[in-house]
Amino acid sequence: AQSVTQLDSQVPVFEEAPVELRCNYSSSVSVYLFWYVQYPNQGLQLLLKYLSGSTLVESINGFEAEFNKSQTSFHLRKPSVHISDTAEYFCAVSPRGSGNTGKLIFGQGTTLQVKP
Amino acid sequence: DTGVSQNPRHKITKRGQNVTFRCDPISEHNRLYWYRQTLGQGPEFLTYFQNEAQLEKSRLLSDRFSAERPKGSFSTLEIQRTEQGDSAMYLCASSFSASGQYTEAFFGQGTRLTVV
Repeated sequence: AQSVTQLDSQVPVFEEAPVELRCNYSSSVSVYLFWYVQYPNQGLQLLLKYLSGSTLVESINGFEAEFNKSQTSFHLRKPSVHISDTAEYFCAVSPRGSGNTGKLIFGQGTTLQVKP
Repeated sequence: DTGVSQNPRHKITKRGQNVTFRCDPISEHNRLYWYRQTLGQGPEFLTYFQNEAQLEKSRLLSDRFSAERPKGSFSTLEIQRTEQGDSAMYLCASSFSASGQYTEAFFGQGTRLTVV
């Protein structure tokens, strides 16, 4: 079985400041890792993913996340946030392997509130 | 392609009534997923279809819930004898998968159910 824990339910931050949203997971099998973003009144959108290879992955809008296998973490970071980054962020995992169904197991979510 | 479409967007129903939601996936996507998201929580997996076959159901899916995907295209989720605890956002996602490789799942905007 898998579980995902997002360590902060809310993260308030001023515009142009750096931010880190923390995510830890537990799994008995190898997993793919994801961050999804949900803007107000919109559906979930994939922000970035780790499938294999380099443990540091980046999104097109400046976010990055690093897979740390020993700490079973996949923290999300951005060096300088914008007002438009205000949203709910969800960390998720999906089991790998021949039985991979694409099912996602989500964390509880972190609300990023960027203040001017 | 207009993405994953869910109808209705909002539904208010009285306790004890039956409700049905519809999801139209992206065309040619063979996988379809239903998730439930309650306030302040991340989405929770409910069930998964590969074409028309329902291959996995969560223990969250009580016998009052039933999902179908006739002909492997659109899907319906029915809740019988609704309870106040059923109030949530119901999300649908679809993806195309061949040979068990990872492919991105795309989410609809959800159907918000309120049971009064």
